[in-house]
Amino acid sequence: EAQVTQNPRYLITVTGKKLTVTCSQNMNHEYMSWYRQDPGLGLRQIYYSMNVEVTDKGDVPEGYKVSRKEKRNFPLILESPSPNQTSLYFCASSPFGVGTEAFFGQGTRLTVV
Amino acid sequence: AQSVAQPEDQVNVAEGNPLTVKCTYSVSGNPYLFWYVQYPNRGLQFLLKYITGDNLVKGSYGFEAEFNKSQTSFHLKKPSALVSDSALYFCAVRDRGGGTYKYIFGTGTRLKVLA
Repeated sequence: EAQVTQNPRYLITVTGKKLTVTCSQNMNHEYMSWYRQDPGLGLRQIYYSMNVEVTDKGDVPEGYKVSRKEKRNFPLILESPSPNQTSLYFCASSPFGVGTEAFFGQGTRLTVV
Repeated sequence: AQSVAQPEDQVNVAEGNPLTVKCTYSVSGNPYLFWYVQYPNRGLQFLLKYITGDNLVKGSYGFEAEFNKSQTSFHLKKPSALVSDSALYFCAVRDRGGGTYKYIFGTGTRLKVLA
């Protein structure tokens, strides 16, 4: 089954404790991205990657890191999480092409206390 | 600044009645337009998109959307709502040029279909 898989689905952590949210897609898509969803703000892009070893900042990159060492994986790293990073996070992938749609993971609900 | 507006936080409609969820955008050029739906505890699912051609686009689950270039709108519609359509709906645009695949999302509209 074609899918984008995120782990974990739920995570509660303490301020300053480094964490990684994994994202993997099995559709051989070139483009991958991370979004955070906050009430009243919709989805905002954090980072994106056009291909292996090619990443760039989205609209809200502060406090986050990413890497793309393999085409299928695009982990999101919070080196020193803070409470304002409490949010619902989504990973998405898209193939290159005209007007292609994105495929989203199930989401990771992160709480930083 | 580029933006997508969904003016209604929530839309209530009776089952069997037609529904409309509104979306307008302010983006340079002629972007691709999308609708996604989010059910509780799930990721976003693609519903439909406008790339070019006929202004009325048909998508999944009986939904359709009407593109209006002069009003820069892309309203989501369904002739007869079902209780199972209750969910959070997002309008999104994507730049047509430059090879970018970045979406700009609206803030979402919660659809509640009442039995």
